[in-house]
Amino acid sequence: AQSVTQPDIHITVSEGASLELRCNYSYGATPYLFWYVQSPGQGLQLLLKYFSGDTLVQGIKGFEAEFKRSQSSFNLRKPSVHWSDAAEYFCAVGVGTGANNLFFGTGTRLTVIP
Amino acid sequence: DAGVIQSPRHEVTEMGQEVTLRCKPISGHDYLFWYRQTMMQGLELLVYFNNKAVMDDSGMPKDRFSAKMPNASFSTLKIQPSEPRDSAVYFCASSFLRGRTYNEQFFGPGTRLTVL
Repeated sequence: AQSVTQPDIHITVSEGASLELRCNYSYGATPYLFWYVQSPGQGLQLLLKYFSGDTLVQGIKGFEAEFKRSQSSFNLRKPSVHWSDAAEYFCAVGVGTGANNLFFGTGTRLTVIP
Repeated sequence: DAGVIQSPRHEVTEMGQEVTLRCKPISGHDYLFWYRQTMMQGLELLVYFNNKAVMDDSGMPKDRFSAKMPNASFSTLKIQPSEPRDSAVYFCASSFLRGRTYNEQFFGPGTRLTVL
């Protein structure tokens, strides 16, 4: 069965510091992987996705993620965090036709301190 | 362009009452998804439609929940009777596939439901 694990519930970083959010997945086939961001009171916005090709993918807002099949990981990174990046981040694996069935991790809440 | 529209944004009701959540997908999108977000279970897919037909409702409790999509621009999620454990944020999302490899789902702002 498919599952997604985000081991860090809450991360605090200083503005300007680098960021890495961890995501591990379990899925028998080649996964469709996604990172979403949720700001308070808002819906989810897609940051980036991976389903084939280059294992380092670029997304919006300066985020990138690297797919590592050997580690079943899809970690999200940003070299320099801005205060506006404070939000909740969700990793998801998509299964089925068009990756319609999204299975989400429990999320990582990011706090950015000045 | 307007995104996915959900109404109401907040709903407070008493146990046993009927609750109806509404969603208007992005124009031209032919997939519509309903999710529930709780602290305990996180984000769960309840049901999704393609061209107004239910494709998968395995995540939806059938005894009290029902989802309909009477036309391409409107969907409802109904809970009857509601229970305190239904308290959650309910998200609607829409997308289109049409020859693409995957569906990018666009999420609405959610409806926060509180059942007392």
